Amino acid sequence: GQNIDQPTEMTATEGAIVQINCTYQTSGFNGLFWYQQHAGEAPTFLSYNVLDGLEEKGRFSSFLSRSKGYSYLLLKELQMKDSASYLCAVRDYTNAGKSTFGDGTTLTVKP
Amino acid sequence: EAQVTQNPRYLITVTGKKLTVTCSQNMNHEYMSWYRQDPGLGLRQIYYSMNVEVTDKGDVPEGYKVSRKEKRNFPLILESPSPNQTSLYFCASSLSTGGTDTQYFGPGTRLTVL
Repeated sequence: GQNIDQPTEMTATEGAIVQINCTYQTSGFNGLFWYQQHAGEAPTFLSYNVLDGLEEKGRFSSFLSRSKGYSYLLLKELQMKDSASYLCAVRDYTNAGKSTFGDGTTLTVKP
Repeated sequence: EAQVTQNPRYLITVTGKKLTVTCSQNMNHEYMSWYRQDPGLGLRQIYYSMNVEVTDKGDVPEGYKVSRKEKRNFPLILESPSPNQTSLYFCASSLSTGGTDTQYFGPGTRLTVL
């Protein structure tokens, strides 16, 4: 099966940098996704990692280490609108249809 | 506009009264899935579909049914809703079934079962 762990809550200051960690266990790793979800809204795609290393997209970057079962999402130059829940999700090639999400990390950005 | 639509967006019903939540995508996506989200929890997969007439159980399928008669539609059916099915439901789709494509989510359906 799959197991995903993320911190429940984080707080950071506007303009700062924050790192949200995600650890996972899966039998057939086939990629890790990060989604952003504002309260009451649908999740939206942020990033996808399938190979080790860092993927950068503007203020957001995501890192993956497959050997450690570890990923992080890095948010730079935080803005108030970044206050949201960040969901880590893992796909498994032994069952391509299954999609497992972590419980999400609620990030609060303060002035 | 490429999108996933769900109806209704909000629904209050009573225990035992059958209901259907519709989901439709206009992107010609192969894969569709239903999730429920409860306070403090992430998305839990209910059912998914890899293609027309191909559906399979996710992690929490009990009390739900689905069908995929057409590629664009994937309705979620609650034959006899119970209060523990009160939740926020999301439908999602992705282009392929290989698991490497992002999922696009509908706006959500907030269901309350009294």
